[in-house]
Amino acid sequence: DGGITQSPKYLFRKEGQNVTLSCEQNLNHDAMYWYRQDPGQGLRLIYYSQIVNDFQKGDIAEGYSVSREKKESFPLTVTSAQKNPTAFYLCASSIPPAGGPDTQYFGPGTRLTVL
Amino acid sequence: GQNIDQPTEMTATEGAIVQINCTYQTSGFNGLFWYQQHAGEAPTFLSYNVLDGLEEKGRFSSFLSRSKGYSYLLLKELQMKDSASYLCAVRDPVATDSWGKFQFGAGTQVVVTP
Repeated sequence: DGGITQSPKYLFRKEGQNVTLSCEQNLNHDAMYWYRQDPGQGLRLIYYSQIVNDFQKGDIAEGYSVSREKKESFPLTVTSAQKNPTAFYLCASSIPPAGGPDTQYFGPGTRLTVL
Repeated sequence: GQNIDQPTEMTATEGAIVQINCTYQTSGFNGLFWYQQHAGEAPTFLSYNVLDGLEEKGRFSSFLSRSKGYSYLLLKELQMKDSASYLCAVRDPVATDSWGKFQFGAGTQVVVTP
Protein backbone atom coordinates (compact mmCIF):
# COMPACT_ATOMS: atom_id res chain seq x y z
CA ASP A 1 0.00 0.00 0.00
CA GLY A 2 1.17 3.55 -0.73
CA GLY A 3 1.61 5.85 2.18
CA ILE A 4 3.84 7.63 4.64
CA THR A 5 5.46 5.86 7.54
CA GLN A 6 7.03 7.39 10.60
CA SER A 7 8.98 5.57 13.21
CA PRO A 8 8.97 5.15 16.06
CA LYS A 9 5.46 6.05 17.22
CA TYR A 10 6.68 6.92 20.72
CA LEU A 11 10.19 8.08 21.52
CA PHE A 12 11.81 8.98 24.79
CA ARG A 13 15.14 10.69 25.13
CA LYS A 14 17.22 12.19 27.84
CA GLU A 15 17.88 15.89 27.91
CA GLY A 16 20.99 16.81 25.96
CA GLN A 17 20.77 13.94 23.47
CA ASN A 18 20.18 14.26 19.76
CA VAL A 19 17.49 12.04 18.25
CA THR A 20 16.46 11.32 14.67
CA LEU A 21 12.87 10.77 13.58
CA SER A 22 12.30 8.72 10.47
CA CYS A 23 9.88 9.57 7.65
CA GLU A 24 9.51 7.45 4.51
CA GLN A 25 6.98 7.73 1.67
CA ASN A 26 6.30 5.55 -1.34
CA LEU A 27 3.81 7.90 -2.98
CA ASN A 28 6.42 9.29 -5.38
CA HIS A 29 5.76 12.76 -3.99
CA ASP A 30 8.33 15.47 -4.63
CA ALA A 31 7.69 17.59 -1.56
CA MET A 32 8.04 16.56 2.06
CA TYR A 33 7.42 18.48 5.27
CA TRP A 34 7.99 18.28 9.00
CA TYR A 35 5.52 19.83 11.43
CA ARG A 36 5.41 20.08 15.17
CA GLN A 37 2.10 20.02 17.06
CA ASP A 38 1.72 21.09 20.68
CA PRO A 39 -1.50 20.80 22.72
CA GLY A 40 -4.01 23.46 21.75
CA GLN A 41 -1.89 24.71 18.89
CA GLY A 42 -1.94 24.26 15.17
CA LEU A 43 0.73 22.57 13.15
CA ARG A 44 3.92 24.60 12.88
CA LEU A 45 6.28 24.05 9.98
CA ILE A 46 9.83 23.04 10.90
CA TYR A 47 11.44 22.24 7.54
CA TYR A 48 10.28 21.39 4.07
CA SER A 49 11.84 20.03 0.92
CA GLN A 50 10.61 20.41 -2.63
CA ILE A 51 13.21 18.21 -4.33
CA VAL A 52 16.04 15.87 -3.45
CA ASN A 53 19.14 17.51 -1.98
CA ASP A 54 17.28 20.72 -1.26
CA PHE A 55 15.34 21.90 1.78
CA GLN A 56 14.13 25.13 3.32
CA LYS A 57 13.63 26.33 6.87
CA GLY A 58 10.08 26.67 8.07
CA ASP A 59 8.81 28.88 10.86
CA ILE A 60 10.48 27.08 13.77
CA ALA A 61 13.68 25.51 12.39
CA GLU A 62 15.98 26.39 15.28
CA GLY A 63 17.29 23.30 17.05
CA TYR A 64 16.35 20.97 14.19
CA SER A 65 18.13 19.62 11.13
CA VAL A 66 17.05 17.58 8.11
CA SER A 67 18.45 15.85 5.06
CA ARG A 68 16.91 14.84 1.75
CA GLU A 69 19.30 12.42 0.09
CA LYS A 70 16.53 10.31 -1.41
CA LYS A 71 13.09 11.22 -2.72
CA GLU A 72 11.47 8.70 -0.38
CA SER A 73 13.13 9.78 2.84
CA PHE A 74 13.19 12.98 4.91
CA PRO A 75 14.61 12.32 8.39
CA LEU A 76 14.41 14.98 11.10
CA THR A 77 17.06 15.34 13.81
CA VAL A 78 16.05 17.02 17.03
CA THR A 79 19.24 18.39 18.48
CA SER A 80 20.15 19.25 22.05
CA ALA A 81 19.85 22.90 21.02
CA GLN A 82 16.07 22.58 20.79
CA LYS A 83 14.91 24.04 24.08
CA ASN A 84 11.50 22.40 24.33
CA PRO A 85 11.47 19.30 22.14
CA THR A 86 8.60 17.38 23.76
CA ALA A 87 5.84 17.40 21.14
CA PHE A 88 3.97 15.44 18.50
CA TYR A 89 5.91 15.44 15.21
CA LEU A 90 4.14 14.97 11.90
CA CYS A 91 5.69 14.31 8.52
CA ALA A 92 3.77 15.03 5.32
CA SER A 93 4.27 14.85 1.57
CA SER A 94 2.60 16.34 -1.49
CA ILE A 95 2.98 16.65 -5.23
CA PRO A 96 3.43 20.01 -6.95
CA PRO A 97 0.16 21.81 -7.69
CA ALA A 98 -0.88 21.03 -11.26
CA GLY A 99 -4.41 22.20 -11.81
CA GLY A 100 -5.60 20.74 -8.57
CA PRO A 101 -5.03 20.92 -4.85
CA ASP A 102 -1.61 19.91 -3.63
CA THR A 103 -3.11 18.01 -0.75
CA GLN A 104 -0.72 17.07 1.99
CA TYR A 105 -0.72 13.46 3.11
CA PHE A 106 0.38 12.93 6.68
CA GLY A 107 2.20 10.12 8.40
CA PRO A 108 0.94 8.70 11.72
CA GLY A 109 3.25 10.91 13.77
CA THR A 110 5.95 10.41 16.39
CA ARG A 111 5.35 11.52 19.95
CA LEU A 112 8.68 12.62 21.42
CA THR A 113 9.09 12.99 25.16
CA VAL A 114 12.23 14.40 26.72
CA LEU A 115 12.85 13.12 30.21
CA GLY B 1 2.65 35.82 6.80
CA GLN B 2 -0.73 34.44 7.69
CA ASN B 3 -2.96 34.72 10.76
CA ILE B 4 -5.69 32.09 10.97
CA ASP B 5 -8.46 32.08 13.55
CA GLN B 6 -11.00 29.42 14.37
CA PRO B 7 -13.01 28.66 17.51
CA THR B 8 -11.39 26.43 20.09
CA GLU B 9 -14.30 24.07 20.72
CA MET B 10 -17.86 23.38 19.61
CA THR B 11 -20.40 20.91 20.95
CA ALA B 12 -23.37 19.48 19.06
CA THR B 13 -25.70 16.52 19.31
CA GLU B 14 -25.77 13.49 17.08
CA GLY B 15 -27.77 14.12 13.91
CA ALA B 16 -27.40 17.89 14.12
CA ILE B 17 -25.45 20.34 11.96
CA VAL B 18 -22.35 22.23 13.02
CA GLN B 19 -20.61 25.08 11.22
CA ILE B 20 -16.94 25.75 11.94
CA ASN B 21 -15.75 29.20 10.91
CA CYS B 22 -12.25 30.14 9.88
CA THR B 23 -11.00 33.65 9.23
CA TYR B 24 -7.62 34.47 7.81
CA GLN B 25 -5.50 37.57 7.30
CA THR B 26 -2.84 37.02 4.72
CA SER B 27 -0.34 38.76 2.53
CA GLY B 28 -1.35 36.34 -0.21
CA PHE B 29 -3.65 33.41 -0.77
CA ASN B 30 -3.62 30.33 -2.92
CA GLY B 31 -6.17 27.94 -1.50
CA LEU B 32 -7.77 26.91 1.77
CA PHE B 33 -7.87 23.35 3.09
CA TRP B 34 -9.82 21.64 5.84
CA TYR B 35 -8.40 18.62 7.65
CA GLN B 36 -9.87 16.31 10.27
CA GLN B 37 -7.66 15.04 13.07
CA HIS B 38 -8.66 12.47 15.65
CA ALA B 39 -6.76 12.55 18.92
CA GLY B 40 -3.23 11.20 18.59
CA GLU B 41 -3.60 10.57 14.88
CA ALA B 42 -2.52 12.24 11.66
CA PRO B 43 -4.70 14.88 9.96
CA THR B 44 -6.71 13.64 6.99
CA PHE B 45 -7.82 15.81 4.07
CA LEU B 46 -11.48 16.83 3.95
CA SER B 47 -11.91 19.64 1.44
CA TYR B 48 -10.27 22.35 -0.62
CA ASN B 49 -11.47 25.77 -1.82
CA VAL B 50 -9.58 28.16 -4.05
CA LEU B 51 -12.49 30.01 -5.68
CA ASP B 52 -15.41 31.64 -3.89
CA GLY B 53 -18.40 29.46 -3.23
CA LEU B 54 -19.49 26.18 -1.77
CA GLU B 55 -17.88 22.79 -2.27
CA GLU B 56 -19.99 19.82 -1.22
CA LYS B 57 -18.67 16.36 -0.45
CA GLY B 58 -21.28 14.13 1.11
CA ARG B 59 -22.03 15.20 4.67
CA PHE B 60 -19.25 17.80 4.58
CA SER B 61 -19.35 21.13 2.76
CA SER B 62 -16.88 23.98 2.72
CA PHE B 63 -17.43 27.59 1.76
CA LEU B 64 -14.97 30.32 0.84
CA SER B 65 -15.19 34.09 0.52
CA ARG B 66 -11.81 35.47 -0.52
CA SER B 67 -12.88 39.11 -0.22
CA LYS B 68 -13.86 38.54 3.41
CA GLY B 69 -10.99 36.22 4.27
CA TYR B 70 -13.54 33.72 5.52
CA SER B 71 -14.32 30.06 5.20
CA TYR B 72 -16.55 27.61 6.98
CA LEU B 73 -16.81 23.85 7.20
CA LEU B 74 -20.33 22.50 7.54
CA LEU B 75 -20.84 19.07 9.03
CA LYS B 76 -24.33 17.64 8.54
CA GLU B 77 -26.04 14.63 10.12
CA LEU B 78 -23.40 14.50 12.82
CA GLN B 79 -22.18 11.10 13.92
CA MET B 80 -20.24 10.19 17.04
CA LYS B 81 -17.19 9.41 14.91
CA ASP B 82 -17.14 13.06 13.79
CA SER B 83 -15.80 14.01 17.23
CA ALA B 84 -12.37 15.30 16.29
CA SER B 85 -10.32 18.43 15.76
CA TYR B 86 -10.88 20.27 12.48
CA LEU B 87 -7.95 22.24 11.11
CA CYS B 88 -8.18 25.14 8.70
CA ALA B 89 -5.06 25.66 6.58
CA VAL B 90 -4.20 28.40 4.11
CA ARG B 91 -1.67 27.90 1.35
CA ASP B 92 0.89 30.53 0.49
CA PRO B 93 0.97 31.91 -3.02
CA VAL B 94 3.25 30.08 -5.39
CA ALA B 95 6.67 31.61 -5.56
CA THR B 96 10.15 30.42 -6.38
CA ASP B 97 10.77 28.95 -2.98
CA SER B 98 7.42 28.82 -1.27
CA TRP B 99 5.03 26.65 -3.19
CA GLY B 100 3.42 24.13 -0.93
CA LYS B 101 3.84 26.05 2.32
CA PHE B 102 0.77 25.98 4.49
CA GLN B 103 -0.24 27.89 7.58
CA PHE B 104 -2.50 25.99 9.94
CA GLY B 105 -5.02 27.28 12.44
CA ALA B 106 -5.01 25.87 15.97
CA GLY B 107 -7.97 23.62 15.20
CA THR B 108 -11.55 23.43 16.43
CA GLN B 109 -12.39 20.52 18.71
CA VAL B 110 -15.88 19.26 17.86
CA VAL B 111 -17.59 17.20 20.52
CA VAL B 112 -20.60 15.19 19.40
CA THR B 113 -22.94 14.12 22.20
CA PRO B 114 -25.62 11.42 22.08
